[in-house]
Amino acid sequence: KQEVTQIPAALSVPEGENLVLNCSFTDSAIYNLQWFRQDPGKGLTSLLLIQSSQREQTSGRLNASLDKSSGRSTLYIAASQPGDSATYLCAVGMIKAAGNKLTFGGGTRVLVKP
Amino acid sequence: DAGVIQSPRHEVTEMGQEVTLRCKPISGHNSLFWYRQTMMRGLELLIYFNNNVPIDDSGMPEDRFSAKMPNASFSTLKIQPSEPRDSAVYFCASSLRFVGYTFGSGTRLTVV
Repeated sequence: KQEVTQIPAALSVPEGENLVLNCSFTDSAIYNLQWFRQDPGKGLTSLLLIQSSQREQTSGRLNASLDKSSGRSTLYIAASQPGDSATYLCAVGMIKAAGNKLTFGGGTRVLVKP
Repeated sequence: DAGVIQSPRHEVTEMGQEVTLRCKPISGHNSLFWYRQTMMRGLELLIYFNNNVPIDDSGMPEDRFSAKMPNASFSTLKIQPSEPRDSAVYFCASSLRFVGYTFGSGTRLTVV
């Protein structure tokens, strides 16, 4: 059974500092990995999707790396801003019969202080 | 496209009542997922459908929970009878085969 862990559970940084969020998973036979953002009381917004054959994806200030063999992914957010405050969730996709089943980590709650 | 649409946004009901949550996936998406989110357990996959067929319902907690997808544009999650421990935010998500997910805004269910 796939298990996804995110450490730390919460993170507080001053504005401008770079953020590093970690995700680990137990079964390396993944199809893809996604990073989501969730604002309080809202749904999840997909940030980056990394296919199992890829090592990283970038979008603006966000960069996500994937090391499938060691079961790790890292989300980097450069030059953090107060608007980056949210919970960030990592989700691992496994092909099951038909469809892409996602298993989520517990999330990292980020607070960027002005 | 308006995204994944869930209704109602909030539901407050008394213990023992039937609750029905609704979801309209993105047009053209062929996979639909129901999740439950609580502080204690995080996001849990309850059930998912592919081409309107239930593929994996191993996450459905009890027989009180049931889900249907009568067509490609509509799905329901029903709880009968509801209990206070069912209080949570229920999310619906859809995807096109193995391409990334789109989540709805969720239904916040409170059972008193």
